Amino acid sequence: GENVEQHPSTLSVQEGDSAVIKCTYSDSASNYFPWYKQELGKRPQLIIDIRSNVGEKKDQRIAVTLNKTAKHFSLHITETQPEDSAVYFCAASTGGGTSYGKLTFGQGTILTVHP
Amino acid sequence: GAVVSQHPSRVICKSGTSVKIECRSLDFQATTMFWYRQFPKQSLMLMATSNEGSKATYEQGVEKDKFLINHASLTLSTLTVTSAHPEDSSFYICSARGPPPTVTNEKLFFGSGTQLSVL
Repeated sequence: GENVEQHPSTLSVQEGDSAVIKCTYSDSASNYFPWYKQELGKRPQLIIDIRSNVGEKKDQRIAVTLNKTAKHFSLHITETQPEDSAVYFCAASTGGGTSYGKLTFGQGTILTVHP
Repeated sequence: GAVVSQHPSRVICKSGTSVKIECRSLDFQATTMFWYRQFPKQSLMLMATSNEGSKATYEQGVEKDKFLINHASLTLSTLTVTSAHPEDSSFYICSARGPPPTVTNEKLFFGSGTQLSVL
């Protein structure tokens, strides 16, 4: 099955700096890569996603890049703010068939943005 | 956007009792729902895939007789933790695949989670 590795496990930055979180996946058939933000005791919130036919996607301060050949994808947050502090999870999914929508999550990254 | 409601948000029960958790898609029909378990400061681990009108598919290592899943309608899936024990204490969270008519509706929308504490 799919295996998703996420690094770093913790990330501490100063407000205004950029933050980068990286993930690798093992199944070359994976074609959908979402990123979720989870605050303590809350549900994961989808913040951005990318499909395998796209190399990069940006939404305001958040961007995701995908390298299919190397099987890795990254989350980039620019101009970080204290409210960006949370746990971030990457995930991978293979579309189609009975596994449609079945996500495998990375281990998570605790991001702390210091004012 | 798609809304998934999960109840209860928190439950405390005695060892040996059963607990039922409900997951509802409020404004769309969800033919497939997923149940995850999350331990403190850890990732979400998929327990099972719930398909409306058919038996759930459990991940390796998850006891199907322990975690009963019922998906009797297009908007409701339930997870029952039977004969709960302290080691079952965890954060349980459901998710539903987003609705069509998007070409690829693989987006997942999560319920608010249920914190189960077994004494």
